[in-house]
Amino acid sequence: QQQVKQSPQSLIVQKGGISIINCAYENTAFDYFPWYQQFPGKGPALLIAIRPDVSEKKEGRFTISFNKSAKQFSLHIMDSQPGDSATYFCAASADKLIFGTGTRLQVFP
Amino acid sequence: DAGITQSPRHKVTETGTPVTLRCHQTENHRYMYWYRQDPGHGLRLIHYSYGVKDTDKGEVSDGYSVSRSKTEDFLLTLESATSSQTSVYFCAISRGAARNTGELFFGEGSRLTVL
Repeated sequence: QQQVKQSPQSLIVQKGGISIINCAYENTAFDYFPWYQQFPGKGPALLIAIRPDVSEKKEGRFTISFNKSAKQFSLHIMDSQPGDSATYFCAASADKLIFGTGTRLQVFP
Repeated sequence: DAGITQSPRHKVTETGTPVTLRCHQTENHRYMYWYRQDPGHGLRLIHYSYGVKDTDKGEVSDGYSVSRSKTEDFLLTLESATSSQTSVYFCAISRGAARNTGELFFGEGSRLTVL
């Protein structure tokens, strides 16, 4: 049973475009929602995170939008760059961190 | 760099053999985790530890055991490896004081192939 559902599986975006990755969860006990970025051959690294008491958090070109009533959250990457090409994981935690299945993002020049 | 070293980084073994993966941290953090990463499944928690000799099961613990006799080392053992355990294994630490802040720092992974 996948507690955190992530889509799409893969995403191709033109340089300068907006990348959007969506996640949905079921467990209302989750109280922390991070996004991780992973480059090939490396471990995942924390990118940005949000708590359910806010609806949006922005850090540079990366924004998390959070909809508590719909139990959904999404990552928006503005002005996507080739260097953003990586796999992105959403996650949620109550007492343990549960990951989505990942989205492979490719940004072409 | 979160001061996490995983060893070995790559290993090929045969079905039925025991395998131990080691995670070593240099920052003396209390909480340590083992995840496996597989295509289509993301990262799944195998076991975690709250401190020396204090461990608990994650969502995919069958076929795995762990030990933590020192704060800095967290060992993952496959008693009798199977092909379904072919995966990339990641160790992670939490730098927070609480059990889970969601802010995990990962090692670079250990790629295990079971033939």
